[in-house]
Amino acid sequence: QKEVEQDPGPLSVPEGAIVSLNCTYSNSAFQYFMWYRQYSRKGPELLMYTYSSGNKEDGRFTAQVDKSSKYISLFIRDSQPSDSATYLCAMPGSARQLTFGSGTQLTVLP
Amino acid sequence: DGGITQSPKYLFRKEGQNVTLSCEQNLNHDAMYWYRQDPGQGLRLIYYSQIVNDFQKGDIAEGYSVSREKKESFPLTVTSAQKNPTAFYLCASSGLAGVTTGELFFGEGSRLTVL
Repeated sequence: QKEVEQDPGPLSVPEGAIVSLNCTYSNSAFQYFMWYRQYSRKGPELLMYTYSSGNKEDGRFTAQVDKSSKYISLFIRDSQPSDSATYLCAMPGSARQLTFGSGTQLTVLP
Repeated sequence: DGGITQSPKYLFRKEGQNVTLSCEQNLNHDAMYWYRQDPGQGLRLIYYSQIVNDFQKGDIAEGYSVSREKKESFPLTVTSAQKNPTAFYLCASSGLAGVTTGELFFGEGSRLTVL
């Protein structure tokens, strides 16, 4: 079993839809939960991160962590074509090395 | 502008050749990383370095080598011993806090194709 599992998609939604992206993890020691966005043929960029459980909101993006279920989510409200990208969840482990999910490819159709 | 510069962006290699990918950062970050990305597999760590003249193997170091002679530079050599080198290679850096939080800054990547 991989430490971090992520549905690869692809996921295709109409403009304006609410998008839900999810990851599950197995290591209960994870404390920080990252979401990176990667446009085609580019390097990933950090979108947002949360520490421990709870929600964090940044504009149209909300990150949610449920440590009891080992489940994290990224919600995108009022999705735009410019949100079309691959979204990667990631968590730093005890060795301070990031473990990445495989990424979910999202397309927002105009 | 501060950032990470990777070169070349595209590289073609014949089997049996070694190639070196360049990574330079002007963010004054202590830690630097090399990742490999294959379709559907996310990012896998090849090597990382938290200080000059010191580096550690990641999950898939076989067939790769690195050096860290300067804080700003962390070149990756893909040797002929790497059996399946065709991939997208990403260099990243982080400050000391980022080593704990996982906040990395990535370059734009180098795509290596073995002919």
